[in-house]
Amino acid sequence: NAGVTQTPKFQVLKTGQSMTLQCAQDMNHEYMSWYRQDPGMGLRLIHYSVGAGITDQGEVPNGYNVSRSTTEDFPLRLLSAAPSQTSVYFCASSYSLLGKLFFGSGTQLSVL
Amino acid sequence: TQLLEQSPQFLSIQEGENLTVYCNSSSVFSSLQWYRQEPGEGPVLLVTVVTGGEVKKLKRLTFQFGDARKDSSLHITAAQPGDTGLYLCADIYNQGGKLIFGQGTELSVKP
Repeated sequence: NAGVTQTPKFQVLKTGQSMTLQCAQDMNHEYMSWYRQDPGMGLRLIHYSVGAGITDQGEVPNGYNVSRSTTEDFPLRLLSAAPSQTSVYFCASSYSLLGKLFFGSGTQLSVL
Repeated sequence: TQLLEQSPQFLSIQEGENLTVYCNSSSVFSSLQWYRQEPGEGPVLLVTVVTGGEVKKLKRLTFQFGDARKDSSLHITAAQPGDTGLYLCADIYNQGGKLIFGQGTELSVKP
């Protein structure tokens, strides 16, 4: 099993550009989530999903959109990138909310 | 708003020393998880503690859950360079599907 796969690994954007961070899991997990990690801030929840067709906002949702059309995929869209969105982004999944969270290897995003 | 506070934020010790890191909450924990993250990787779950007063051991790591379920500690005995990393605690916020993390303790163990 590949687990949780994130692409791309690195990305540089200009202010105002849009892009989609891809996340796929092959463990048939219902729960998926996106976090951003900044120095000294730990992991902050952006959006999460408890199943296909169901998404909800986390702690820092502004500037990001998500959708969950299948169990496997949970893409994160940046609508108009801003320098404040420079961060490392992690996708994660688990069988249930209380279950072990499996993380992808992260996407390092720089917005110039 | 539930807030998870971890201390210390940074810790640098020599190999063989013991250490303890803490995670405190402004409200009662639902189900506290401890993760370790190595540079360039995603966090990996170490343990989940649920019951007040619970103690779990994972080799040289001892996890303790406070009786009132508002605090937790991670104790490492005879630290090794391989223990170096970011230690994060996490809990479910407001039973609403949000797993919230503390800001982490960055541990460096020097040979």
